Amino acid sequence: AQKVTQAQTEISVVEKEDVTLDCVYETRDTTYYLFWYKQPPSGELVFLIRRNSFDEQNEISGRYSWNFQKSTSSFNFTITASQVVDSAVYFCALSEGDFGNEKLTFGTGTRLTIIP
Amino acid sequence: DTGVSQNPRHKITKRGQNVTFRCDPISEHNRLYWYRQTLGQGPEFLTYFQNEAQLEKSRLLSDRFSAERPKGSFSTLEIQRTEQGDSAMYLCASSDRDIVGTQYFGPGTRLLVL
Repeated sequence: AQKVTQAQTEISVVEKEDVTLDCVYETRDTTYYLFWYKQPPSGELVFLIRRNSFDEQNEISGRYSWNFQKSTSSFNFTITASQVVDSAVYFCALSEGDFGNEKLTFGTGTRLTIIP
Repeated sequence: DTGVSQNPRHKITKRGQNVTFRCDPISEHNRLYWYRQTLGQGPEFLTYFQNEAQLEKSRLLSDRFSAERPKGSFSTLEIQRTEQGDSAMYLCASSDRDIVGTQYFGPGTRLLVL
């Protein structure tokens, strides 16, 4: 069965600090997709990134970067130079299968608070 | 380009009443998903459709829950004889199966059962 673990329940950092959110996953499939979503106080889940199991290249998008390591079954998310607008709950999710559009299994989320 | 919409956004009901929620997916998306999120937890999968066919149902979806997508466009989720434990945020998402299918979520319907 698929499982996603986000061990960090809450993190608080001062604005402009870097912060890394951890995600560890379990799956028996060889083909799967990993996702990160952001849930701001408004409540709507916002898609951030998708990564498939065959692509272990790290990705950078502005202040965001993701580190995917199959050897440790981890898909960690780093925010550089954090800003108050980054305050939200962040979810890591896993979808088994070839297209990444089967059901998502979410972690319990990490609540990130950026202190001005 | 409109996103996923859900109605109503909030619903308060008394225990034992029936409620129905509606989800309108992104227009070209043929997969539609329902999730439930309780306070402090991640969303949990309930069911999903490809066009009008319901492909998978979670065991979380008890007999009191039913979902439909009759014409392969919008979907409804009905809860009969609501219980206080049904209080949660009900999230809808859609994706396009023909390309790598990222799920895009709607704003959710927050249900409170008194």
